[in-house]
Amino acid sequence: AQSVTQLDSHVSVSEGTPVLLRCNYSSSYSPSLFWYVQHPNKGLQLLLKYTSAATLVKGINGFEAEFKKSETSFHLTKPSAHMSDAAEYFCVVRAISGTYKYIFGTGTRLKVLA
Amino acid sequence: EAQVTQNPRYLITVTGKKLTVTCSQNMNHEYMSWYRQDPGLGLRQIYYSMNVEVTDKGDVPEGYKVSRKEKRNFPLILESPSPNQTSLYFCASSLGTSPGNEQFFGPGTRLTVL
Repeated sequence: AQSVTQLDSHVSVSEGTPVLLRCNYSSSYSPSLFWYVQHPNKGLQLLLKYTSAATLVKGINGFEAEFKKSETSFHLTKPSAHMSDAAEYFCVVRAISGTYKYIFGTGTRLKVLA
Repeated sequence: EAQVTQNPRYLITVTGKKLTVTCSQNMNHEYMSWYRQDPGLGLRQIYYSMNVEVTDKGDVPEGYKVSRKEKRNFPLILESPSPNQTSLYFCASSLGTSPGNEQFFGPGTRLTVL
C-alpha cells in the first residue's frame, strides 16, 4: 500500500528566505515521487520528479528535493522565496510496481510575505 | 500546442440529472486519469485508463463511470449526480504506464450539484 503525508497544511515565509515543504511517503515498492504546484484557480504543473536515479533532484523555478530512503522523505526546498511562489504544493507517490495509481498528499499552501 | 482539454469548465446541475465531462489530449498518451479535488483532501484518483478499452478504479470510484473508446478521449460520466459529488475535477494524461512518467493536467471542471 502507498500513502503520502504532507506534514504542514500551511507554511508562511518572508520573501527572500528559504522554503521547506515536508513530505513523507510509504510504499511497498520502490517509489517514483513528484512535486506539483497549483497556483490559485489554475491547473497543476510539475515541479520535479524522482525516479530512482540521482537522489537530489532539481526542478523548475529554483526548487529542488532530496529523496531519503532511510527517512522515507522527499522534502521540497528553495533557497530564496519569491512572491510568485505563493501557491499550493502537492507531493505525489507512485509505486514502481504493483499498481498504476498515483497517490496525492493533502497539499501545503505556501504564503510568501513581503 | 500539447494540452489536455476539459469541457465544460463550469457546470451547475441538479441531483439525479445525468452528465458527462469530456477530456481530450493531443499528445498520443496511453495513460489517462480522473481526479477530484476537495479542500483539505488533496486530489483523489477516481478512475484511470492504461490504454484503449482498459480502465480501472482509483480510490474514489463510487458514483462515476468512464470509458476509453479512443486513445485521445476519456469522458467522466455521472449517471445520477448527488450533492456530495460537488467538487473540482481534473483530467490528466501521461505518456505511458511507467512509474516515472509525469502527468499533464487539464484546467479543471468545477461541478456543483444542487
